[in-house]
Amino acid sequence: SAVISQKPSRDICQRGTSLTIQCQVDSQVTMMFWYRQQPGQSLTLIATANQGSEATYESGFVIDKFPISRPNLTFSTLTVSNMSPEDSSIYLCSVAGQASGTDTQYFGPGTRLTVL
Amino acid sequence: QKEVEQDPGPLSVPEGAIVSLNCTYSNSAFQYFMWYRQYSRKGPELLMYTYSSGNKEDGRFTAQVDKSSKYISLFIRDSQPSDSATYLCAMSAGGYQKVTFGTGTKLQVIP
Repeated sequence: SAVISQKPSRDICQRGTSLTIQCQVDSQVTMMFWYRQQPGQSLTLIATANQGSEATYESGFVIDKFPISRPNLTFSTLTVSNMSPEDSSIYLCSVAGQASGTDTQYFGPGTRLTVL
Repeated sequence: QKEVEQDPGPLSVPEGAIVSLNCTYSNSAFQYFMWYRQYSRKGPELLMYTYSSGNKEDGRFTAQVDKSSKYISLFIRDSQPSDSATYLCAMSAGGYQKVTFGTGTKLQVIP
């Protein structure tokens, strides 16, 4: 399986600011995903990041709030813009495994964000 | 009704017990079924992956899928304190379709 790292591992931010989270993979992958996991909740898909094209956002998530970059096959960033306390969450990137399609996803360690 | 239902627990068992974790789902298009383990303050770790119906065994872990009942299970034999974590079921229709996660079951194995 791929080895995935995320930076920062955690951060405490002020309301109204923005934070960019980086996701680095040790091998080239076609598809990368960004999830949010709020306290006591399961994973919610924010968007799918494809190399060379615009990210595809899920219902309830918009590019202005969560801009995503995917400059190559091993790296992606997610920016949480104009943050509010409701954005406090764990943000996770994942990559698709070798099985069919996106079915087996491997996750990074997550970024724990607290917005004051 | 959620597409995937999972009892959040917490489930507390003595060391050595057999643990049964379950999920039900409503989308008959789901073909791929996964179980992830998530330790506190860590990202989810893929445990088991099953295609369609049937059983799959890996060491102390057995995954079962019953598509006719839309029911999947994860069994842990000889449970250990190190198995204490949240277990998430996940499933998809395959072919680059979205993966849908359960809410997770928190398991505590008591020494």
